[in-house]
Amino acid sequence: GEDVEQSLFLSVREGDSSVINCTYTDSSSTYLYWYKQEPGAGLQLLTYIFSNMDMKQDQRLTVLLNKKDKHLSLRIADTQTGDSAIYFCAERGGKDTGRRALTFGSGTRLQVQP
Amino acid sequence: NAGVTQTPKFQVLKTGQSMTLQCAQDMNHEYMSWYRQDPGMGLRLIHYSVGAGITDQGEVPNGYNVSRSTTEDFPLRLLSAAPSQTSVYFCASSYSTSREKLFFGSGTQLSVL
Repeated sequence: GEDVEQSLFLSVREGDSSVINCTYTDSSSTYLYWYKQEPGAGLQLLTYIFSNMDMKQDQRLTVLLNKKDKHLSLRIADTQTGDSAIYFCAERGGKDTGRRALTFGSGTRLQVQP
Repeated sequence: NAGVTQTPKFQVLKTGQSMTLQCAQDMNHEYMSWYRQDPGMGLRLIHYSVGAGITDQGEVPNGYNVSRSTTEDFPLRLLSAAPSQTSVYFCASSYSTSREKLFFGSGTQLSVL
């Protein structure tokens, strides 16, 4: 099946930029997502990008997509302690229209040090 | 607006017991799904439904049953719980057509002893 991979842990200092990376294998991916999960909570959609775009910016968040390399990144500018959470990359394949299922990475735990 | 509501938040079962995890949404979403989250493995799809009366299997359906008698509710049943089903379970829903956003419930932490 299709696969989504992320590094498991990232530590940054407050005020720095964070970059979380993700690679995927499905060349027919239509949408790619970033979800945030805070302790004891469900997943919250942060942002998403359609596969025909290469960049999307939303306030402190910048998503970059390199479709040729199947690489997705999430940059958080001016990282705050409230950004500490697990960040999941997910993709929805073009072949998956009926199931509407997302394939998730294993999540990157972002730790922000004061 | 409550969104996606899951109950219970926590549950401990003995091997062989049965239980139902409840999921309800008040957004008139046609698509509903159940995921399980295990350490280091991301989320894996168990079952999903594209509308009332329609259900189908996801990636890891064994040991779980679902039904969809109404648009609002999508319960997940464990008929005979096993320790391998110890996990955190998330229900998620979305609109049926071109809108891609999945809304998640807050999760049910299940331990099977």
